[in-house]
Amino acid sequence: QKEVEQNSGPLSVPEGAIASLNCTYSDRVSQSFFWYRQYSGKSPELIMSIYSNGDKEDGRFTAQLNKASQYVSLLIRDSQPSDSATYLCAVKASSGSARQLTFGSGTQLTVLP
Amino acid sequence: DAGVIQSPRHEVTEMGQEVTLRCKPISGHDYLFWYRQTMMRGLELLIYFNNNVPIDDSGMPEDRFSAKMPNASFSTLKIQPSEPRDSAVYFCASSSSWEKETQYFGPGTRLLVL
Repeated sequence: QKEVEQNSGPLSVPEGAIASLNCTYSDRVSQSFFWYRQYSGKSPELIMSIYSNGDKEDGRFTAQLNKASQYVSLLIRDSQPSDSATYLCAVKASSGSARQLTFGSGTQLTVLP
Repeated sequence: DAGVIQSPRHEVTEMGQEVTLRCKPISGHDYLFWYRQTMMRGLELLIYFNNNVPIDDSGMPEDRFSAKMPNASFSTLKIQPSEPRDSAVYFCASSSSWEKETQYFGPGTRLLVL
């Protein structure tokens, strides 16, 4: 079983719709969760981080965390064609000061004009 | 501000040759990470350093891979000898202790081993 799982997609939504991206993780004591966006041929870029249960909003992006269900999601409101990219979920290892992130395989999102 | 710098951006080599990838982290960052990304395996952590010291190299695939960080502003990832299955995009990322765990990625090196 992979430590961080995402639906690979592709996920297509029309412009202006809400895109919902989901991620589950296996390490129950993980504390830090991240969403990275990666455009084709480019490097990953951090767009959201979340550390506690509930919702965290930043502009059109909302991250949601449910530690009991080991589930983290990213909602993109008013989706734009420029949001078309692969979205990577990342989880920080739980042990002490360890800094390594474990990444999911990514969900490819296409926003149709 | 300069971000993470990697060189070369593209590398094509023949099987058996030595390959050296280079990274300059963001100034002041005390953590440096090397990742490899392929379609099959996604983004995998190879090794990371804290204050120039390797902390976890459990992701290094085999003895053909080695990484060094001789000072705070430079790191290398070396593959010797290279094999076709090493073909991938190699990313370097850096972060700082005071900026909670945000990792900044370089542009990557696209390696093709023929």
